[in-house]
Amino acid sequence: DSGVTQTPKHLITATGQRVTLRCSPRSGDLSVYWYQQSLDQGLQFLIQYYNGEERAKGNILERFSAQQFPDLHSELNLSSLELGDSALYFCASSVDGNYGYTFGSGTRLTVV
Amino acid sequence: EDQVTQSPEALRLQEGESSSLNCSYTVSGLRGLFWYRQDPGKGPEFLFTLYSAGEEKEKERLKATLTKKESFLHITAPKPEDSATYLCAVHQKRGTSYGKLTFGQGTILTVHP
Repeated sequence: DSGVTQTPKHLITATGQRVTLRCSPRSGDLSVYWYQQSLDQGLQFLIQYYNGEERAKGNILERFSAQQFPDLHSELNLSSLELGDSALYFCASSVDGNYGYTFGSGTRLTVV
Repeated sequence: EDQVTQSPEALRLQEGESSSLNCSYTVSGLRGLFWYRQDPGKGPEFLFTLYSAGEEKEKERLKATLTKKESFLHITAPKPEDSATYLCAVHQKRGTSYGKLTFGQGTILTVHP
C-alpha cells in the first residue's frame, strides 16, 4: 500500500456520460498530480494541485476538470466521455512538488 | 519541450544475465531524474532519484547512473521477479511545469527462469 488511495478501482460507463475519480494523498503530502496512461501514449501529465490551488497544467482536455478540497483529497471530473478516454488514471502525491512522488494504484476507466 | 526516450522498448533476459536500460533526456534545467518500476495494472513504484551528473544509486540488483544527457539502469543477475516495465522521468527545474514529471515510454523487461 503506497498510502495514496484512489477510488473506484474500475469504472465502466457509456459514451457521453460523466464520471468522477477520487484521490486521497499520503498523509502530510500537499501536492496532488493526475496522470493518464493509455497503451499508445504512456503516462501523460494532466494537472497538479498544491494545497488547494492549481499549480501546473498539462494536456488536459476542456472536458476534464479537477479540484483539491480543504482536506487535500482531489477529484478528477471527466465529462462527455469518448471511447478514446478509456485509460488508466493515476493520482500521485508529494510533500511539496520538489521531489519524486508516490503513485496510487489507479482507476481503470472503460468507455463503451 | 522536455523529451525522454527510453531504449530498448522491450528486453528479454535469462535469469542471471545482466544488462542495462537506457534513458536519454532533453530538458532545460534538470531538477531530477527518476526511475520507477510498474507492474501490469498497478501504479508506478518509485526506485531512485538522481540529481547531478556522476551520481549513482543502488538498490538490491539495480544500479542507476546519470550523465548530462542520459541515465542507465543496470540490472545485475536479474531474477524473474524483476520482470516489469521500467519508467524514466525528468523533473524540470523551473517554469510553469513546476512539479510535473515527464515520462518516457518505458522498457518492458522480461526475465525468464
